[in-house]
Amino acid sequence: GQNIDQPTEMTATEGAIVQINCTYQTSGFNGLFWYQQHAGEAPTFLSYNVLDGLEEKGRFSSFLSRSKGYSYLLLKELQMKDSASYLCAVGNQGGKLIFGQGTELSVKP
Amino acid sequence: GAVVSQHPSRVICKSGTSVKIECRSLDFQATTMFWYRQFPKQSLMLMATSNEGSKATYEQGVEKDKFLINHASLTLSTLTVTSAHPEDSSFYICSAREGQVSEKLFFGSGTQLSVL
Repeated sequence: GQNIDQPTEMTATEGAIVQINCTYQTSGFNGLFWYQQHAGEAPTFLSYNVLDGLEEKGRFSSFLSRSKGYSYLLLKELQMKDSASYLCAVGNQGGKLIFGQGTELSVKP
Repeated sequence: GAVVSQHPSRVICKSGTSVKIECRSLDFQATTMFWYRQFPKQSLMLMATSNEGSKATYEQGVEKDKFLINHASLTLSTLTVTSAHPEDSSFYICSAREGQVSEKLFFGSGTQLSVL
């Protein structure tokens, strides 16, 4: 079976750093994705990890450990517009993306 | 980047009617498209995988006779919610994959369906 866990909600302060964790169990692994979703809108792609390690892309970084079934998304220099839901998703060998429940991030001034 | 167009963005219908949602890949050919449903404050739940020229593959618990999927061309997939009921009210999102690579997955803008 497949199981993806991430915190339901987090709060952080503008300008700070926040780390959103994701743990997963899946049969057949074909990459770990992070998406950002604002209410009522479609998800937008943030990052993709298929090998262990850290991928940095501007203010956003994503880390993967396949042996631990663990990933995190790191957001630096938080801005108010970063308030959104962050979805962890795992690709399986069938080419499907299975999503976690999402983490609702609130950035406060 | 690649663009996936989804229409309509919002639809309100009476209980018992059918609603068709279109998903188009505008600048690439998509042999595979996926249909998701999302209830408020919940994640995207995969409903079905739509393959061009063949029958869709439905996830467990999704009624194939209620959610009709047609993928007649490499750029268009449609989802028809038949005999809609209030419990079908949800946000429906399609995604299209460019080629066989998972990371080349692009989402439509979603359709908010409200059944009265």
